[in-house]
Amino acid sequence: QVQLQQWGAGLLKPSETLSLTCEVYGGSFSGYYWSWIRQPPGKGLEWIGEINQSGSTNYNPSPLKSRVTISVDTSKNQFSLKLSSVTAADTAVYYCARSLGGSSIYFYYFYMDVWGKGTTVTVSS
Amino acid sequence: SSELTQDPAVSVALGQTVRIACQGDSLRRYYASWYQQKPGQAPVLVIYAKNNRPSGIPDRFSGSSFGDTASLTITGAQADDEADYYCNSRDSGGNQVNVIFGGGTKLTVL
Repeated sequence: QVQLQQWGAGLLKPSETLSLTCEVYGGSFSGYYWSWIRQPPGKGLEWIGEINQSGSTNYNPSPLKSRVTISVDTSKNQFSLKLSSVTAADTAVYYCARSLGGSSIYFYYFYMDVWGKGTTVTVSS
Repeated sequence: SSELTQDPAVSVALGQTVRIACQGDSLRRYYASWYQQKPGQAPVLVIYAKNNRPSGIPDRFSGSSFGDTASLTITGAQADDEADYYCNSRDSGGNQVNVIFGGGTKLTVL
């Protein structure tokens, strides 16, 4: 059974760079996209971006995009998130997840079926 | 960019049926997926590709879609179903790939 284990610094000062890593256990790394999602306290889910085995990325086309870098290390079955110049608004629980999609005759489909447990990141001076 | 709209809160009596709706233009092209999130826990996928349940998800959870609206139905709601529910889809309009979540619906089981 596939599991995602994530880690990274939980307390940052404004202007620092957030760095998180997610490792994939028990399953193939190829054939999927690997996503980062965050959830500010008391709020909903926000997709940050995704990467596949070959390093192809998609990012949330919001102002967040200019500060985000997602990378992959296939030799370690890991993918990573860097978010630069953090502010208090970046305080959130950050999740990694496996995502996949495809199409049937008339529709496309997309979903995230395996999630990490989440890492709480607090930005405070 | 596209958005997904959900009612912020819904309540249901124990054992009754509840439907949680999600509306958005991307749902004309993509089936919604649905996630259950309990306090302090990561989201859990409950429905994908319109009406498919991952292993371990009870069959009282079902999904449907019509036009720009997707729905998650819980038939015979249990106390354990009290949670936040999020819909989600990809959106590939405008030459940009995006993944969007609804704002979430807080389900209370009375």
